[in-house]
Amino acid sequence: EDKVVQSPLSLVVHEGDTVTLNCSYEVTNFRSLLWYKQEKKAPTFLFMLTSSGIEKKSGRLSSILDKKELFSILNITATQTGDSAVYLCAVCGGAQKLVFGQGTRLTINP
Amino acid sequence: EADIYQTPRYLVIGTGKKITLECSQTMGHDKMYWYQQDPGMELHLIHYSYGVNSTEKGDLSSESTVSRIRTEHFPLTLESARPSHTSQYLCASSELAAYEQYFGPGTRLTVT
Repeated sequence: EDKVVQSPLSLVVHEGDTVTLNCSYEVTNFRSLLWYKQEKKAPTFLFMLTSSGIEKKSGRLSSILDKKELFSILNITATQTGDSAVYLCAVCGGAQKLVFGQGTRLTINP
Repeated sequence: EADIYQTPRYLVIGTGKKITLECSQTMGHDKMYWYQQDPGMELHLIHYSYGVNSTEKGDLSSESTVSRIRTEHFPLTLESARPSHTSQYLCASSELAAYEQYFGPGTRLTVT
C-alpha cells in the first residue's frame, strides 16, 4: 500500500526563521512527488518533482527530491506570517492517483 | 489560477436527507476527483473520473455516488446523509497527461 509520512506534524517558529519540512514515501512505480499549501480552504499547488537532486525554487520556497532514500524536503527561508498554513506532500504512483500525507501545520509568529 | 468551483461552500443538513455537492471546472480537464478530508487529517480519494461516462471508486470506501455526463461537471450525491458523513469534501481536476491537480474551495458538510 502506498504511504506518505510527513514530519514534523506541527511547527511553530518566529518570523524570519528558516524551516525545513520533511516528506518520506513508499510507493509502487513512483511517477512524481507534489507539494501543496493549504490555508483555510483549497490546497494550492507549489511544486512537482520527478527527478532526484534537481532543486525546484519559487521565491523563498525550494524543494528537492531524493529517489534513492525516498524523501523530499521543502525549505522556506525568511518566513513571514503569510506562510502559516498546512503543507501537504503527495506522491503519484503506478495507479496515477495522488496519495497524500497528513500534512505539517506551520505557524509563523510575528 | 485554476478555475474550479464547488457549491455549496457550507451545508448543514439533517440525517436521512439526500444531497448533491456540485463541482464544475472551466479548464477542459479530462480528469476529476473527489476527496474527503477530516480536520487535521489526510485527504482521502473517494471517487475519480478520467472522462465523460467514466467513474471509479477511490481508496476510501464511501456511500456516495458520482456521475460524469459532461466534461466540466462532476457532482457527488449522498442518497441518505448520516452524521458519519460530516467532513470537508474537496473536488480537483487535472489534465489527462499531468500529475498536478487543481482544487476547488471545498464544501464543508455537517449532518445533524
